[in-house]
Amino acid sequence: DVKVTQSSRYLVKRTGEKVFLECVQDMDHENMFWYRQDPGLGLRLIYFSYDVKMKEKGDIPEGYSVSREKKERFSLILESASTNQTSMYLCASSFLRDSGNTIYFGEGSWLTVV
Amino acid sequence: AQTVTQSQPEMSVQEAETVTLSCTYDTSENNYYLFWYKQPPSRQMILVIRQEAYKQQNATENRFSVNFQKAAKSFSLKISDSQLGDTAMYFCAFMKPVSQGNLIFGKGTKLSVKP
Repeated sequence: DVKVTQSSRYLVKRTGEKVFLECVQDMDHENMFWYRQDPGLGLRLIYFSYDVKMKEKGDIPEGYSVSREKKERFSLILESASTNQTSMYLCASSFLRDSGNTIYFGEGSWLTVV
Repeated sequence: AQTVTQSQPEMSVQEAETVTLSCTYDTSENNYYLFWYKQPPSRQMILVIRQEAYKQQNATENRFSVNFQKAAKSFSLKISDSQLGDTAMYFCAFMKPVSQGNLIFGKGTKLSVKP
């Protein structure tokens, strides 16, 4: 089974703190994604990566950055957390080489910024 | 830009009955993929069903089937013999073939299955 693991399920951080959300997948997927999920807004793409050290902005990249130093790991970074970044963050991964691939999701990380 | 619309924020159904969740989308693409994902209270997003736009035949997975109307840009999900475990948020999603796998999601429909 494909496994996408988000290391932190629940975090509480203070405004202005630097926050790291880590994601690891075990299926040798090229693509990795970070989504943000808010009630009534669905899922919105923050960043994605299709290879090591490669990154592309999604729909809402402002206030976020990412890092992909190894194929299996994709980190989301909040340089200076703000209260409006309180949300559920979902990591996902998929193969690149075929079209229409299934995207597999992690269990999510609940971030509260106070 | 592509958009995905789910017009039913919440729905409920009695156990063992059938329910249909609506989804419409807007695109100028001719070839694309459509998905239904389920997110139960545990929050793990799970793929329910997948449809390729160039295939006329509607996809089916056990109790789950879709009604894909390409001209109308409609992609509804039918759940037959609803079970308590079907209680979840359901998201409709769209993917372009060359989008490197990026999904565009609707806002979701919260389905409650009542005993």
